[in-house]
Amino acid sequence: RKEVEQDPGPFNVPEGATVAFNCTYSNSASQSFFWYRQDCRKEPKLLMSVYSSGNEDGRFTAQLNRASQYISLLIRDSKLSDSATYLCVVNNAGNMLTFGGGTRLMVKP
Amino acid sequence: GAVVSQHPSWVICKSGTSVKIECRSLDFQATTMFWYRQFPKQSLMLMATSNEGSKATYEQGVEKDKFLINHASLTLSTLTVTSAHPEDSSFYICSARGARGSGANVLTFGAGSRLTVL
Repeated sequence: RKEVEQDPGPFNVPEGATVAFNCTYSNSASQSFFWYRQDCRKEPKLLMSVYSSGNEDGRFTAQLNRASQYISLLIRDSKLSDSATYLCVVNNAGNMLTFGGGTRLMVKP
Repeated sequence: GAVVSQHPSWVICKSGTSVKIECRSLDFQATTMFWYRQFPKQSLMLMATSNEGSKATYEQGVEKDKFLINHASLTLSTLTVTSAHPEDSSFYICSARGARGSGANVLTFGAGSRLTVL
């Protein structure tokens, strides 16, 4: 089983839709969690950190479920510009950052 | 915010050539930098972890004699692809993590270097 797993997608959604991705992690001692966004042929960029209490930034909401060992990213009112690959990153107890394989989102007009 | 500069952004070379890619943290000290490789439509693959002043730690399956990493200062790490071959053509990305505090858990990426070996 991979340390960090994501559904590769693609998720094809219409503009304005709400879409959610999950990311599961295997190491229960993992401490920090992040979502990164990567556009085609570009480097990943930090989208948001994921806090235990959950956090929201505009149309984006991230949540952590420690009991089930997954984090989620919810995007409301999808825009065409949200089309990208979303990478889940987990920092385990050994202070190593592990990337998921990414989930590809395509928002269509 | 933290900025990581990676150079060159694009390189085309002949088979057998060695190519050096530089990764610089511009406004912070990065004791640890990471080198990744990404093939088209695939996820990032960690190649090695570069620690300032010590030898790099390579992931399984990555040849350390093929991909030479030097991290001689707190702001510069280099990756040299020695005797490059067409199968080495890929997108190489470096990243650095902050030295302390909450920044230590956040990765800042360079813009990547696209290597094409003819």
